[in-house]
Amino acid sequence: EAQVTQNPRYLITVTGKKLTVTCSQNMNHEYMSWYRQDPGLGLRQIYYSMNVEVTDKGDVPEGYKVSRKEKRNFPLILESPSPNQTSLYFCASSSRWSGRAPLEQYFGPGTRLTVT
Amino acid sequence: AQSVAQPEDQVNVAEGNPLTVKCTYSVSGNPYLFWYVQYPNRGLQFLLKYITGDNLVKGSYGFEAEFNKSQTSFHLKKPSALVSDSALYFCAVSPSGSARQLTFGSGTQLTVLP
Repeated sequence: EAQVTQNPRYLITVTGKKLTVTCSQNMNHEYMSWYRQDPGLGLRQIYYSMNVEVTDKGDVPEGYKVSRKEKRNFPLILESPSPNQTSLYFCASSSRWSGRAPLEQYFGPGTRLTVT
Repeated sequence: AQSVAQPEDQVNVAEGNPLTVKCTYSVSGNPYLFWYVQYPNRGLQFLLKYITGDNLVKGSYGFEAEFNKSQTSFHLKKPSALVSDSALYFCAVSPSGSARQLTFGSGTQLTVLP
């Protein structure tokens, strides 16, 4: 089954404790991205990657890191989480894009992160 | 800067009635426009997109959207709503031929009442 998987699905952590949220897709997509979803703000892009070893900042990259060493994986790293990073995070992938905009994205199920 | 407005946080409609979820946008040049749907505890699912061509775009699950350049709108429609259509709907825009990326609206919660 074609899918995007994320782990963990739920995470409660404390300020400053480094964490990684994994994302993997089995569709051989070149384009992958991370979003955060906050009430009333829709989805905001954190980082995206157009292929292996090619990553770039989205609208809200501060406090996050990413890496793309393999085509299928795109982990999101929070080196020193803070309470304002409490949010619902989505990973997505796509095989088609224009400029930097993906034309049809497949989303993972989401990771709900709480930082206390 | 590009932007998307979904003026209604909540839309309620009776089952069997037509539904409309509104979206207006602001972008330089010609837009690429998208609708995504999010069911509870799920990721977003792609519904349809407008890139070029016919202003009426048909998508998944019987949904369609009409691109109106003069009104800078891309409203989502369905002739007959189902209770199972109840979900959160997001409009998104990107300028074509540009290096800019996708911008999402804040979402509209659609509730179809039995």
